[in-house]
Amino acid sequence: ETGVTQTPRHLVMGMTNKKSLKCEQHLGHNAMYWYKQSAKKPLELMFVYSLEERVENNSVPSRFSPECPNSSHLFLHLHTLQPEDSALYLCASSPTGGQTQYFGPGTRLLVL
Amino acid sequence: KQEVTQIPAALSVPEGENLVLNCSFTDSAIYNLQWFRQDPGKGLTSLLLIQSSQREQTSGRLNASLDKSSGRSTLYIAASQPGDSATYLCAVHRGYNKLIFGAGTRLAVHP
Repeated sequence: ETGVTQTPRHLVMGMTNKKSLKCEQHLGHNAMYWYKQSAKKPLELMFVYSLEERVENNSVPSRFSPECPNSSHLFLHLHTLQPEDSALYLCASSPTGGQTQYFGPGTRLLVL
Repeated sequence: KQEVTQIPAALSVPEGENLVLNCSFTDSAIYNLQWFRQDPGKGLTSLLLIQSSQREQTSGRLNASLDKSSGRSTLYIAASQPGDSATYLCAVHRGYNKLIFGAGTRLAVHP
């Protein structure tokens, strides 16, 4: 295992629901990331947190709201999503300034 | 804007063949390049990381090369096995921990 866990592994939600994705890393890293992987599209970086501060927001719609309460945990809060938001959401972590990112298994999200 | 392209998009080969997967990028100002493997419905596993000053890296049956000036990298898989079946992703590091990915090559190795 990579040391990065994500829950839930699968999620089905309606467009009016509010849900949260959770990521936890056990590697002692200081940087954490959210990526979106849609069918037949490259992975897209959504957010980067370093030392619990957001350092990158790749023009992600406000219906996605990240939260990093400490260096080991990262959340992605979801509300009023659209069907096109259905995708695999991957979390990753790395040492601050480190180059290799370690990925979790992802959360498969389906928005109905 | 950095773009990463991987060719071919899909590949199906018999067991034992030697393979070459290609990755190209448009901006040569990269920190390094990384190859990942992704099994269906799973996360990514790092295979090889090539620093921008290096030309190649090897791990077991895998060898990755980097030519920054031409914006190309190749992943060579020797003596392919069914267990190598997966999607292989190329990513370039640009900026603060910023990875830009290609769309991947889906590899199927059949017995």
